[in-house]
Amino acid sequence: RKEVEQDPGPFNVPEGATVAFNCTYSNSASQSFFWYRQDCRKEPKLLMSVYSSGNEDGRFTAQLNRASQYISLLIRDSKLSDSATYLCAVNRGGGSQGNLIFGKGTKLSVKP
Amino acid sequence: EPEVTQTPSHQVTQMGQEVILRCVPISNHLYFYWYRQILGQKVEFLVSFYNNEISEKSEIFDDQFSVERPDGSNFTLKIRSTKLEDSAMYFCASRVAGLTDTQYFGPGTRLTVL
Repeated sequence: RKEVEQDPGPFNVPEGATVAFNCTYSNSASQSFFWYRQDCRKEPKLLMSVYSSGNEDGRFTAQLNRASQYISLLIRDSKLSDSATYLCAVNRGGGSQGNLIFGKGTKLSVKP
Repeated sequence: EPEVTQTPSHQVTQMGQEVILRCVPISNHLYFYWYRQILGQKVEFLVSFYNNEISEKSEIFDDQFSVERPDGSNFTLKIRSTKLEDSAMYFCASRVAGLTDTQYFGPGTRLTVL
């Protein structure tokens, strides 16, 4: 099992659609979880940290299920500007210095 | 808002040459990282640095790579003898202190080895 796996995508959706991304991780010692957004040939930019209780930021909702080692991101009312690649990142845990393990990313294209 | 900066934005070099990639982390951050991303692939961890020494490194970070914090602000990645397969985007990142703290990424240096 890969350390961090994401839906391969791409996701092509119309404006206003709701889209959900899934991510699984293999290391049960991981302690922190993030969703980053990456535009073409740019750096990853933090979208949200993910907490066990779930968290919401405007149109974005992230959930963590530690028992299933699963993270999700929901985008409601998608905008053209949401088009990007969404990266799931998990810290290695187990005494590591917080280095992040990334998934391959899921590409989202929002069409008019 | 403070941000991580990196120079140069693009570096072209010949195979076998040495390159130094430079980063200025956010000023109150304590942990520093280098990652790389080969075109079309995922972001991969290279090395973490804390308290003026390497704290962890990946299998990618072999003897050709080294890192330094030569002064209070810069953080550098040196590749001694570049190979074609070193062509990638190199991202520097930093975070404050706690393991759950967010890592903030610089804009990256695109390294092209010819």
